[in-house]
Amino acid sequence: NAGVMQNPRHLVRRRGQEARLRCSPMKGHSHVYWYRQLPEEGLKFMVYLQKENIIDESGMPKERFSAEFPKEGPSILRIQQVVRGDSAAYFCASSPPGGDGELFFGEGSRLTVL
Amino acid sequence: GENVEQHPSTLSVQEGDSAVIKCTYSDSASNYFPWYKQELGKRPQLIIDIRSNVGEKKDQRIAVTLNKTAKHFSLHITETQPEDSAVYFCAANTGTASKLTFGTGTRLQVTL
Repeated sequence: NAGVMQNPRHLVRRRGQEARLRCSPMKGHSHVYWYRQLPEEGLKFMVYLQKENIIDESGMPKERFSAEFPKEGPSILRIQQVVRGDSAAYFCASSPPGGDGELFFGEGSRLTVL
Repeated sequence: GENVEQHPSTLSVQEGDSAVIKCTYSDSASNYFPWYKQELGKRPQLIIDIRSNVGEKKDQRIAVTLNKTAKHFSLHITETQPEDSAVYFCAANTGTASKLTFGTGTRLQVTL
């Protein structure tokens, strides 16, 4: 039973480019959460999605960041016109329908902006 | 929204000693409190969790206690081993059952 799959594991972008991070939840899970972790810091909630719906995006920066979870395919976190401050580890987590709290995390995507 | 505070930020113990990490939360509606262990460059891994209907839970060398009245919960690791060295995060759910707010982490170092 594969866990939460994220790719790419490492991504290097120059300032102004776009970054796309993908997350496939665990089998049977329909809820996806994205968290950002800056170096030496904790995990900050960004967005919570279900299939074709954004449930809670209270942690998303107002500009340049967007997320989707289409009916088919992985969830995608998109960062446009990246800046150096976007360098971080982006973790995706999933939970089953009617989740009782437990989140299962992927291995993360580490974005470096040059 | 929920606010979770975690102390200490760093903790060094000798092998075999106990380690205690404490967290407080602000939202009285929170009812799920997990603890995650994160090794360098790895994903956070759930090590133990507790729900608001119990006050204590144990799993081998790890235990968690919850005081709902005071809104604090603690992680206890006994007989620490070098492989326990990692960053530990507490969390509390808020609003949606699985949306977690994390503490700032405790870097635990177990020395020989």
